[in-house]
Amino acid sequence: DAEITQSPRHKITETGRQVTLACHQTWNHNNMFWYRQDLGHGLRLIHYSYGVQDTNKGEVSDGYSVSRSNTEDLPLTLESAASSQTSVYFCASSQGLDQPQHFGDGTRLSIL
Amino acid sequence: GENVEQHPSTLSVQEGDSAVIKCTYSDSASNYFPWYKQELGKRPQLIIDIRSNVGEKKDQRIAVTLNKTAKHFSLHITETQPEDSAVYFCAAMRGTYKYIFGTGTRLKVLA
Repeated sequence: DAEITQSPRHKITETGRQVTLACHQTWNHNNMFWYRQDLGHGLRLIHYSYGVQDTNKGEVSDGYSVSRSNTEDLPLTLESAASSQTSVYFCASSQGLDQPQHFGDGTRLSIL
Repeated sequence: GENVEQHPSTLSVQEGDSAVIKCTYSDSASNYFPWYKQELGKRPQLIIDIRSNVGEKKDQRIAVTLNKTAKHFSLHITETQPEDSAVYFCAAMRGTYKYIFGTGTRLKVLA
């Protein structure tokens, strides 16, 4: 069955380190998204991509970057991790206009 | 920019009663409104969605209504069961594939 997978599921790192979270989907969806989820804020969009070589900033993009070299993957990089980036990160994908987004299982990231 | 307000933030109901969660959006061009259920430690999962050309949609015990004039949409769960306990999120989208999510409602169904 087609799926969207995130890795790692849990990660602990130190401030200032570079961290990359992986997202891989096998639905062949063009649209992929990264969100962070924090108590009281719901899900906030970090970056998104409409296809290969396309990336766009979301509402909370500072300190994060993404790249889209193929259809299946959209890795999220924290260039220099900060304690404020401790959160649960969800990746999602969708087929097209007016189609639902499907979420991965999330990555719990703790920055000490 | 687009804003989605969701109320209430917490809701407790007795098993068998109905639950209603309401969301209000600001962008009148929004045309797609999904609802997600998220159990503790799990991924958000789509439970129902509605498009702007439809006023109501039902799926067994779950229904969503949309009032485009007032710019609000609501989730209705009837005959609630303990397994309905979760956090529910609404979202609005205006055709750019981007969702703006509400802040969530924690529903507790009391046995």
